[in-house]
Amino acid sequence: GENVEQHPSTLSVQEGDSAVIKCTYSDSASNYFPWYKQELGKGPQLIIDIRSNVGEKKDQRIAVTLNKTAKHFSLHITETQPEDSAVYFCAAWKGRGGSNYKLTFGKGTLLTVNP
Amino acid sequence: NAGVTQTPKFQVLKTGQSMTLQCAQDMNHNSMYWYRQDPGMGLRLIYYSASEGTTDKGEVPNGYNVSRLNKREFSLRLESAAPSQTSVYFCASSLGSIGETQYFGPGTRLLVL
Repeated sequence: GENVEQHPSTLSVQEGDSAVIKCTYSDSASNYFPWYKQELGKGPQLIIDIRSNVGEKKDQRIAVTLNKTAKHFSLHITETQPEDSAVYFCAAWKGRGGSNYKLTFGKGTLLTVNP
Repeated sequence: NAGVTQTPKFQVLKTGQSMTLQCAQDMNHNSMYWYRQDPGMGLRLIYYSASEGTTDKGEVPNGYNVSRLNKREFSLRLESAAPSQTSVYFCASSLGSIGETQYFGPGTRLLVL
């Protein structure tokens, strides 16, 4: 089955700096890669996603890049703010076929933005 | 729209007790999911339902059962709770294809003593 590795597990940055979280996946058939943000005591919330036919996607201060050859994708947050502090999860989805219908999540990155 | 709602928010059980976690969505989504979240383990899929009337096992189904009561509701039942089932449980839903753009509920924190 799919395996998603996420690094680092914790990340501390100063307000205004950039933060980068990286994920690798094992199944080259995976074609959808969402990123979720989870604030303390809440459920994960989708913040950005990318499909395998696109190499980069931006939404204001957030961007995601995908390298299909190397099977890795990254989340980039620029001009970080204290409210960006949360746990971030990457995930990979393979699509239809057999029983592999599920999203496979990385284990999460705790991002702390220090004022 | 309330999105995905879950009840209860917190629950304490004794080993061997049973309970049902309730989940409902008001987004007219076809697919629904149950995950558990444990420290350092990320989110692991317990069961999912691609559409009303169908359910399938996920990554960690042992000790759980589910019911897709109708399009809106998807419940998770623990027949005989064990301390290993202490976790935070999240319900999620998606509009169409399994796995795409899932919307999560606020979670149920379960402690089994």
